[in-house]
Amino acid sequence: SAVISQKPSRDICQRGTSLTIQCQVDSQVTMMFWYRQQPGQSLTLIATANQGSEATYESGFVIDKFPISRPNLTFSTLTVSNMSPEDSSIYLCSVTLDAETQYFGPGTRLLVL
Amino acid sequence: QKEVEQNSGPLSVPEGAIASLNCTYSDRVSQSFFWYRQYSGKSPELIMSIYSNGDKEDGRFTAQLNKASQYVSLLIRDSQPSDSATYLCAVNLAGDSNYQLIWGAGTKLIIKP
Repeated sequence: SAVISQKPSRDICQRGTSLTIQCQVDSQVTMMFWYRQQPGQSLTLIATANQGSEATYESGFVIDKFPISRPNLTFSTLTVSNMSPEDSSIYLCSVTLDAETQYFGPGTRLLVL
Repeated sequence: QKEVEQNSGPLSVPEGAIASLNCTYSDRVSQSFFWYRQYSGKSPELIMSIYSNGDKEDGRFTAQLNKASQYVSLLIRDSQPSDSATYLCAVNLAGDSNYQLIWGAGTKLIIKP
């Protein structure tokens, strides 16, 4: 597996502001994904972060709201833009080293007031 | 729409007994199946992966796959209170080159001392 870190681990933000979440891996990985998990719910895939190109977004998620960068094979950022209380959630990055097995970072807990 | 179904629980099992967690999936050509454990407030961690019909054992955990019935299960022997968590079943999108997984909603397991 890989060591995956996320920053920040948690934050409280005001509505209308933006927050950028960082995901750092200690080795080069094939794929990086961003998920959202709301309390008591399962994982919802936001997008696949593609190295050197635009992210691939899932239905219901758009680049203007969730811009993603992946400048290299070990790092990605997810920005939650123009936040509202509905964006309060846990945001998780995951990576694959080989095939489909995904390993998760510790998550970022976001509360929007 | 491709789906993964799990009983949300909670499933209550006495300490020392066998806990049986079940998952069904809709995509007949899926090839890779995963069980993750998620403690409250933590990110998912991989327990088992299984790719072939039959049983795969790892310590107290056994994954069982039946592709004909589109069914995958996880057995936990000698259940311990530390096994209390939500267990997520994940299945690959067959033929998907982006390594995405489809996630079940999770089963909450409670081991009673």
